Amino acid sequence: GDSVTQMEGPVTLSEEACLTINCTYTATGYPSLFWYVQYPGEGLQLLLKATKADDKGSNKGFEATYRKETTSFHLEKGSVQVSDSAVYFCALDDNAGNMLTFGGGTRLMVKP
Amino acid sequence: DAGVIQSPRHEVTEMGQEVTLRCKPISGHNSLFWYRQTMMRGLELLIYFNNNVPIDDSGMPEDRFSAKMPNASFSTLKIQPSEPRDSAVYFCASSGLNYEQYFGPGTRLTVT
Repeated sequence: GDSVTQMEGPVTLSEEACLTINCTYTATGYPSLFWYVQYPGEGLQLLLKATKADDKGSNKGFEATYRKETTSFHLEKGSVQVSDSAVYFCALDDNAGNMLTFGGGTRLMVKP
Repeated sequence: DAGVIQSPRHEVTEMGQEVTLRCKPISGHNSLFWYRQTMMRGLELLIYFNNNVPIDDSGMPEDRFSAKMPNASFSTLKIQPSEPRDSAVYFCASSGLNYEQYFGPGTRLTVT
């Protein structure tokens, strides 16, 4: 079956540091890939997505590139802010239905 | 649009009591999902509906859990009888034709 593996957290960074959260997947076919963010006390929000190989999703300074050859979709940001502190979830949709497969989530803590 | 609406936001109940969680999806969305989030198990898909019909309930933990979607604008998740191990945050999400899922703010359930 489909699966998503994320690096375990927490990831602790100082403000303005570079961020990379690794995500790899296993799926048949050609899935769409997503990053969701969950701020404390809230539901998940879609951060960015990519629907085919080599696509780059971007939003709020975050980027992720769909790499089919390495089955990866790593999340990156050049300069993090305290307000980026949250839990980040990588997910895939196999495009055969509506269901998302989520990774375990990675908690990011950014210190001033 | 108001987004996905869930009620109540917090529920505290005693073991053995019936609990009903409610969800109003985004107008026009044809798929609805119920998730459970705990520290131990992460984010789990319990059940999903498409056009008000349950499609996959393989994530429902046991017969104590039931979900209904009587119309396109309302769904319930019922636990009867509730147990302390049911304590979690329960999320409802909905999606339309682009398959992007939009999450509600969640219901934090505590069973004592």
